[in-house]
Amino acid sequence: KQEVTQIPAALSVPEGENLVLNCSFTDSAIYNLQWFRQDPGKGLTSLLLIQSSQREQTSGRLNASLDKSSGRSTLYIAASQPGDSATYLCAVRLSDMRFGAGTRLTVKP
Amino acid sequence: GAVVSQHPSRVICKSGTSVKIECRSLDFQATTMFWYRQFPKQSLMLMATSNEGSKATYEQGVEKDKFLINHASLTLSTLTVTSAHPEDSSFYICSASGTADTEAFFGQGTRLTVV
Repeated sequence: KQEVTQIPAALSVPEGENLVLNCSFTDSAIYNLQWFRQDPGKGLTSLLLIQSSQREQTSGRLNASLDKSSGRSTLYIAASQPGDSATYLCAVRLSDMRFGAGTRLTVKP
Repeated sequence: GAVVSQHPSRVICKSGTSVKIECRSLDFQATTMFWYRQFPKQSLMLMATSNEGSKATYEQGVEKDKFLINHASLTLSTLTVTSAHPEDSSFYICSASGTADTEAFFGQGTRLTVV
């Protein structure tokens, strides 16, 4: 069974910092990996989707990379803002789709 | 992106009753749907994977007779929580995708409270 791990579990940074969130998975035979954002009490907002054949995807201040062979993905957030405060989840897709436990990010003004 | 509609968004039911949650893909055909449960301050736990026209594959520890999943069409899957109890209170989220290697789109979630 695929296992997905996210490090760190929580992160608090001052506004303006660049930061990296990590996601690792045990089975490298994935179709794709998605990064999501979840605000308290809300559903999921999809941020980036990386197909297994891709190395990275970018959207605005977000950049996600994928190293399938080593079972790792990173989400890079540039120039963080208080509005980025949320829980960030990664999910890997094979026949099923499994999530990591998430990283709870707090960006202080 | 594609739209997945999940209803209801909130439901309160009495202990012992059953609750049905619907998940619809509005603008694409969903070959595969996933159902998740999320307890407060925890991540999404996969309950079952459902392929259209087939029986759902349940995760270990998820009672298939309690959480009935039906995926009879390419646009609709339902999760019925039978004989609900307070410990079933949780946030339930569905996801749908066209094929195994395409993006999965998520519903808005259903907050179930059993009193």
